[in-house]
This record gives sequence, C-alpha cells and structure tokens, in this order.
Amino acid sequence: GAGVSQSPSNKVTEKGKDVELRCDPISGHTALYWYRQSLGQGLEFLIYFQGNSAPDKSGLPSDRFSAERTGGSVSTLTIQRTQQEDSAVYLCASSLGGGPAETQYFGPGTRLLVL
Amino acid sequence: AQSVTQLGSHVSVSEGALVLLRCNYSSSVPPYLFWYVQYPNQGLQLLLKYTSAATLVKGINGFEAEFKKSETSFHLTKPSAHMSDAAEYFCAVSEPSASKIIFGSGTRLSIRP
Repeated sequence: GAGVSQSPSNKVTEKGKDVELRCDPISGHTALYWYRQSLGQGLEFLIYFQGNSAPDKSGLPSDRFSAERTGGSVSTLTIQRTQQEDSAVYLCASSLGGGPAETQYFGPGTRLLVL
Repeated sequence: AQSVTQLGSHVSVSEGALVLLRCNYSSSVPPYLFWYVQYPNQGLQLLLKYTSAATLVKGINGFEAEFKKSETSFHLTKPSAHMSDAAEYFCAVSEPSASKIIFGSGTRLSIRP
C-alpha cells in the first residue's frame, strides 16, 4: 500500500511569511508524528497526534508552530512568521496504534528553506 | 530522562569488512530501542527494534544489534559491508510510558571499494 506522503517536497519562503506543510499518513494509522531534522539539532520530536488529538506537543519550539489533524488522517504543520532558524527538513511519521514499541513509518520529508 | 549517544558521527569501512555502529542509551526504565537508516534524499526506514524479547535482534539487510543492559548499549553490526549500506544510521530510544522516540545524532556510514 501507499506509504506516508508529504507535500510540498521543497519549500522556499521569505523570512516573516507563514508556511503550511502537509502530511498524509498510511491509511488506518491512528498515530501521527512530526519531527524536524536540521544540521545543528539532529532529529527532534515536535508533536504527536492520536486520532485528532495531540496529547504531546512538548517538542514545538515556539508558539509560532502549530499543527492540526482532521478526520484522523491528514495533518498540517503551520509555521507562522518564519525565521531563518526554521530552515530544516520536516519529517512526518505514522504508526498503527501509537504505542512506544510500534514501528513509525516516515515520509520523505519537506525541505524548508527560509531566506 | 531518556537519551541516546551515538559514538562517531562518521564511520568508514572497506567493502566486505565488519560494520560496527555504536549506540549507548540512558533510560530510567527498560527501554525500547530502534535503529533507523536514512538513504540519501529518502525518509527514515526501520532496520530493527528491541522490545524486551530476545536481546539479539536481527533486522533487514543483514544487520543485527544486541541489547546489553549492563553496558546500556545497543550497537549495530553487519558482518560484511556492501556498497549499498552507505547511509546515515540513527539509534533511537523510547520508554513504555512515552509517546515519542528520542533519536541519536546519527552516524554516517561510508563504504570504501
């Protein structure tokens, strides 16, 4: 079946603009995760969804970052008033039930460059 | 708090040689441990995981890892490296009560012909 998909694959924006990143998880997966991969910080957890709820938002770096998930499926990560330090690859993953031992399946990522 | 340390940001081995990528973890409770691989311009893919069953875990592409509680280690090995193994490898840890995976900083594996 289809894997996790993300769009756009690349995004270039100007400092101060808002951006939206989209994630389509594997069909039937109830858990969805957002991570950020950058040169200086490695792979960082951002937020975890179980269904449409986000029980763990502890990784969101500032209030400029928000995410939502609708219909237990698609998720959107929004970054407001982008800064150059937001430049990174944003990875989405999904898992069947969300348990800590479950395999997370990753999408190819969205590469964000803030000029 | 859980954490992962990967020793060596870059490892280079000859084709056919043993691959050893080191990972040490810190966790206050018995952890779940993972190795993920990231090929150039691709997403992360699970190689193998330890979930408190057998301490020697076999994964895809001939890789295996051994959970050693006394050493708090979960090193990744492969007896004979292949050119296609060149990639970035991430060790990761999760705790039973957690909802997220904590990743190490990654080790880039290069294979010399």
